[in-house]
Amino acid sequence: TQLLEQSPQFLSIQEGENLTVYCNSSSVFSSLQWYRQEPGEGPVLLVTVVTGGEVKKLKRLTFQFGDARKDSSLHITAAQPGDTGLYLCAGAKASGTYKYIFGTGTRLKVLA
Amino acid sequence: DSGVTQTPKHLITATGQRVTLRCSPRSGDLSVYWYQQSLDQGLQFLIQYYNGEERAKGNILERFSAQQFPDLHSELNLSSLELGDSALYFCASSVGTGGSETQYFGPGTRLLVL
Repeated sequence: TQLLEQSPQFLSIQEGENLTVYCNSSSVFSSLQWYRQEPGEGPVLLVTVVTGGEVKKLKRLTFQFGDARKDSSLHITAAQPGDTGLYLCAGAKASGTYKYIFGTGTRLKVLA
Repeated sequence: DSGVTQTPKHLITATGQRVTLRCSPRSGDLSVYWYQQSLDQGLQFLIQYYNGEERAKGNILERFSAQQFPDLHSELNLSSLELGDSALYFCASSVGTGGSETQYFGPGTRLLVL
């Protein structure tokens, strides 16, 4: 059972366009992280959000954690070819200890 | 470079065989995590060790086992391999075990079972 659904699964856009990726769940998470993964490499952490409603900005990337800590979004402004990659959200569930559940992934391609 | 090393980078083996994947965490990190990434299942958490002890278990099959040694490196053992075990296996490390730990991923081991 996949607890974290991401949408869209695939996205191909032109350089300069804006986009939003969604990460949704019916479960509550202690924290939520966003990673970017490039071919042949491991995921690299972009941000961690912990508080419901929290918004974090990383240059052209804006991350938001839902008020109920069940969902999150990643917005990219003026996308560039260097943003191309697989974006993964990951939620930390506390059940005695913490387990990290990764989302289904969004594969982004930004065309020059 | 995340500071996490994994060997081997590629592994090709036959069904029924047993393999061992190795991971060295970043200097100072006590937690090691193992993940399996396949096209149809995405990135799946397998198991976590902290300072030599098993800390959390995910979707790890009984044919798979792991351990973390006193020098903190970890090994993932996969036995009675099946075609469906073909995947990328990632190791990650973090300092602690909290719910907002920064996990640093290694480059992965690509396993192909023929």
